[in-house]
Amino acid sequence: KAGVTQTPRYLIKTRGQQVTLSCSPISGHRSVSWYQQTPGQGLQFLFEYFSETQRNKGNFPGRFSGRQFSNSRSEMNVSTLELGDSALYLCASSPNLQGDNEQFFGPGTRLTVL
Amino acid sequence: SQELEQSPQSLIVQEGKNLTINCTSSKTLYGLYWYKQKYGEGLIFLMMLQKGGEEKSHEKITAKLDEKKQQSSLHITASQPSHAGIYLCGADDTGNQFYFGTGTSLTVIP
Repeated sequence: KAGVTQTPRYLIKTRGQQVTLSCSPISGHRSVSWYQQTPGQGLQFLFEYFSETQRNKGNFPGRFSGRQFSNSRSEMNVSTLELGDSALYLCASSPNLQGDNEQFFGPGTRLTVL
Repeated sequence: SQELEQSPQSLIVQEGKNLTINCTSSKTLYGLYWYKQKYGEGLIFLMMLQKGGEEKSHEKITAKLDEKKQQSSLHITASQPSHAGIYLCGADDTGNQFYFGTGTSLTVIP
């Protein structure tokens, strides 16, 4: 079975721009969660999507949004980028809601905001 | 919200030595996960513990969840360079939001 894939792997943007990151979960998995990892804040939960619905959301501003498609693929969007948005963005998939099962993580997208 | 504090923050050991990483929660744990991350990469699932007193082992790694379900430990026996990385504990709180611990960076010197 193919693992979780994320595209692109690396991205460089400038302040004020917007960015869209993509995540393809493991086949059959219905939950996709997104995390932001920075040296200062560690790994923080952004949101979880399950069956095309946002189920949970972490403490991030509205500039961070996402969606999930009928094939469970998910996209995350960040608008009006700030320098502090530079981070490794990880997505994880699981068969059911996070917390019910282990999560399988993708390799991450490294976003640099200049 | 749930907080997970890991100790130590970093660890440097000689190959062959044993080591223990702790994860302490501010609330009762209903499910505790251990993951390993190679620097700048995704996380690899190690183990999940759900019952107080539960202990699981995989190869040279053993994890335990204490009876009161507020602390977990990860023990590595006879460490190898392949064990190097960042170890993260994670838990789901009653609000169904997943939290990760502060992380422990492990370096194994050959």
